[in-house]
Amino acid sequence: DVKVTQSSRYLVKRTGEKVFLECVQDMDHENMFWYRQDPGLGLRLIYFSYDVKMKEKGDIPEGYSVSREKKERFSLILESASTNQTSMYLCASSFYGQGGETQYFGPGTRLLVL
Amino acid sequence: QKEVEQNSGPLSVPEGAIASLNCTYSDRGSQSFFWYRQYSGKSPELIMFIYSNGDKEDGRFTAQLNKASQYVSLLIRDSQPSDSATYLCAVNFNSGYALNFGKGTSLLVTP
Repeated sequence: DVKVTQSSRYLVKRTGEKVFLECVQDMDHENMFWYRQDPGLGLRLIYFSYDVKMKEKGDIPEGYSVSREKKERFSLILESASTNQTSMYLCASSFYGQGGETQYFGPGTRLLVL
Repeated sequence: QKEVEQNSGPLSVPEGAIASLNCTYSDRGSQSFFWYRQYSGKSPELIMFIYSNGDKEDGRFTAQLNKASQYVSLLIRDSQPSDSATYLCAVNFNSGYALNFGKGTSLLVTP
């Protein structure tokens, strides 16, 4: 079974803090993704990565950055957290090849910025 | 703008009935289509994917794809209260391995 883990299930931070969300997958997948999910807005892609040290902007990259130093780990960074970044953050991974577009999700991190 | 559209619901069906969930997409060149189930407070989990026109069955679930009409549907036979969840449709718009997700349809199966 594909296993995608996220560093925290719940996180409470203050406005202006730097926040790190980590995601690890154990299936040697090339592709990793960060989404946020908000009521009425659905899943929105923040950033994704096709390879180590590679990153691509998604639909809503503003206020976020990412890091992928190792194949299995993809980090989402909120440089200066703001209240409008309160959300559920979901990490996913997928592989190249037949059926490779299938994304497998981690359990999610519910972030509250006060 | 490449879009995936779903009726937000809620769709309410009695236990044992067939639930029919629909999804339309904007890009005629789309290649692959996915259905995910998401329980409240949980992350999405894959139900099934479909690439070719027609039906694909997996247990109580059947995905139907019609590329000419640009829609994909999910049928759930013998619906159970445990099927109550939000169902997300996702489409690969042939632009790498990113998926575009619809906002989901909420399904409620009543005993």
